Amino acid sequence: EVQLVQSGAEVKKPGESLKISCKGSGYSFTSYWIGWVRQMPGKGLEWMGIIYPGDSDTRYSPSFQGQVTISADKSISTAYLQWSSLKASDTAMYYCARQGPNSSGSDYWGQGTLVTVSS
Amino acid sequence: VIWMTQSPSLLSASTGDRVTISCRMSQGISSYLAWYQQKPGKAPELLIYAASTLQSGVPSRFSGSGSGTDFTLTISCLQSEDFATYYCQQYYSFPFTFGPGTKVDIK
Repeated sequence: EVQLVQSGAEVKKPGESLKISCKGSGYSFTSYWIGWVRQMPGKGLEWMGIIYPGDSDTRYSPSFQGQVTISADKSISTAYLQWSSLKASDTAMYYCARQGPNSSGSDYWGQGTLVTVSS
Repeated sequence: VIWMTQSPSLLSASTGDRVTISCRMSQGISSYLAWYQQKPGKAPELLIYAASTLQSGVPSRFSGSGSGTDFTLTISCLQSEDFATYYCQQYYSFPFTFGPGTKVDIK
């Protein structure tokens, strides 16, 4: 069974750093792109970026380029999303999602990680 | 960047209704379009990919059509569990982008 399991909720202060994770299981982790999606409170889905764990090829949305870093450790089938200096506006739910085979969209999603940034 | 619009943004409907949601692209994307359903407090779920292919396990009352710049999601007979927000997404070129969403609520 394909699963993406994300790390737990985080409460941070502005200026702090953070790295959240998304662990894949039940499939060949290195063979599928993994993307990250932001959903601010009461708002829609925003595509942040994506990584191919097989070779670490990474693409970002211009809106998030330079604001976050996406990485992966294929030895433990885990993708990451990190911030070096959080802002209050980073408060949101973050989802990881696998880009499915044969041009099929994002077929499996993590449960989401809620990040709250508040002083 | 490919921009997307969805209409309507809010759709009030009753159980049993046929509903249609539209998604328009700023440029052609062939059939590289997906539709997702999201319920409050839950992760999105893939309904349709390649514009018209039903994801495994999704009820057949959902259907998708279109290619190029104009796409449609249709729910043929709305059920109570279908009240949710629906998003289209293009995956033709990076950055992949989502539409702003259509909330389907109870009339």
